[in-house]
Amino acid sequence: DIVMTQSPDSLAVSLGERATINCKSSQSVLYSSNNKNYLAWYQQKPGQPPKLLIYWASTRESGVPDRFSGSGSGTDFTLTISSLQAEDVAVYYCQQYYSTALFTFGPGTKVDIK
Amino acid sequence: QLQLQESGPGLVKPSETLSLTCTVSGGSISSSSYYWGWIRQPPGKGLEWIGSIYYSGSTYYNPSLKSRVTISVDTSKNQFSLKLSSVTAADTAVYYCARHLALSIAARPRWFDPWGQGTLVTVSS
Repeated sequence: DIVMTQSPDSLAVSLGERATINCKSSQSVLYSSNNKNYLAWYQQKPGQPPKLLIYWASTRESGVPDRFSGSGSGTDFTLTISSLQAEDVAVYYCQQYYSTALFTFGPGTKVDIK
Repeated sequence: QLQLQESGPGLVKPSETLSLTCTVSGGSISSSSYYWGWIRQPPGKGLEWIGSIYYSGSTYYNPSLKSRVTISVDTSKNQFSLKLSSVTAADTAVYYCARHLALSIAARPRWFDPWGQGTLVTVSS
């Protein structure tokens, strides 16, 4: 099984400042045949279902503000919110889809306003 | 705009079978590009994938739940369903259905989008 971990568990950032969330997989999710990282990021606001933000580790879903960006490769990934807005308060999850035997999510990182 | 809506009992007794249905609107469940998945989230906790089904009936299941899970599809009603048997309090969660992008039945399923609003199922006597 591919185990996903995230850090930190939570963070508080001032409005307009940068927020950085890390995600690590227990084995590489880089598929050599197409050089793509099989990793997605989701945002879950209180009382709402998760919303897809990023796939292929760095491709922003249509309609997602460009202050959200994803980076990384292999086993280490980062979601960055370049300038935190009030509406970005949420829990953020990473998910690997490299293993079709078991699709797994990270434990989540809670982002709040400082 | 594709929408998914979960429905089913909000309270299930221990040892019984949890049954939920997801109704898809604004698009066809018979699209060749997608699987359809179930994901759950215990109160205050993270997300756990349960399983996914293609419109033809091909399935992927979480190995840790496989012995208790059955996912089925009814293309005539544009619905897919989840049955989880022998439930315990540990199965109390918000259950979400979601579209699971795959491009074809043979392709590796990928991310989940969009998701239904979720339904809370409590296991209690």
